[in-house]
Amino acid sequence: SQELEQSPQSLIVQEGKNLTINCTSSKTLYGLYWYKQKYGEGLIFLMMLQKGGEEKSHEKITAKLDEKKQQSSLHITASQPSHAGIYLCGPRPRGREYGNKLVFGAGTILRVKS
Amino acid sequence: DTAVSQTPKYLVTQMGNDKSIKCEQNLGHDTMYWYKQDSKKFLKIMFSYNNKELIINETVPNRFSPKSPDKAHLNLHINSLELGDSAVYFCASSLGIGGNEKLFFGSGTQLSVL
Repeated sequence: SQELEQSPQSLIVQEGKNLTINCTSSKTLYGLYWYKQKYGEGLIFLMMLQKGGEEKSHEKITAKLDEKKQQSSLHITASQPSHAGIYLCGPRPRGREYGNKLVFGAGTILRVKS
Repeated sequence: DTAVSQTPKYLVTQMGNDKSIKCEQNLGHDTMYWYKQDSKKFLKIMFSYNNKELIINETVPNRFSPKSPDKAHLNLHINSLELGDSAVYFCASSLGIGGNEKLFFGSGTQLSVL
């Protein structure tokens, strides 16, 4: 089964600082999703990466999938309190036979101090 | 309008009781899911329905029974509640099961079993 590890488990940063969250897979990924969970709310889709070396950005959040497709990093530039929450990565399911079963890593809890 | 809505938001009950959590989506999606998030924030898939048909059934006690009266609804019924059932339960939906589907999540139901 796909094993995903996220690091760090939790992170506290000063507002305005940059930070990076990593997601490492034990197997080559078909693709990777990043989601964010705000406290007391459901998950919100951030982005999906499919190709080795692919990089996507959404506002101040940039995620990249390495060439071997086993590791992804999510980078936040000039963090804001609105970035606080839990960031989860999940491997893209391999199509219909998997019923779109999206599983997640343990998540990284991010707190941003004002 | 909330895309994926689940009720109730909070549920406090005694051990041994039977309870239901309801979920509705107005996105016109064909696939709905139930996820469980434990106290360590680890999110695990429980069930998935596609066009009212069960397609994912993870190792979940048979005290948990999902019911999908139509594509827009997926309810979760739990019999004989146990302390270990305390968690946050998230409903989600996606357009299909092609493996390229973004999930839309409800805001969660926090279940506390006393």
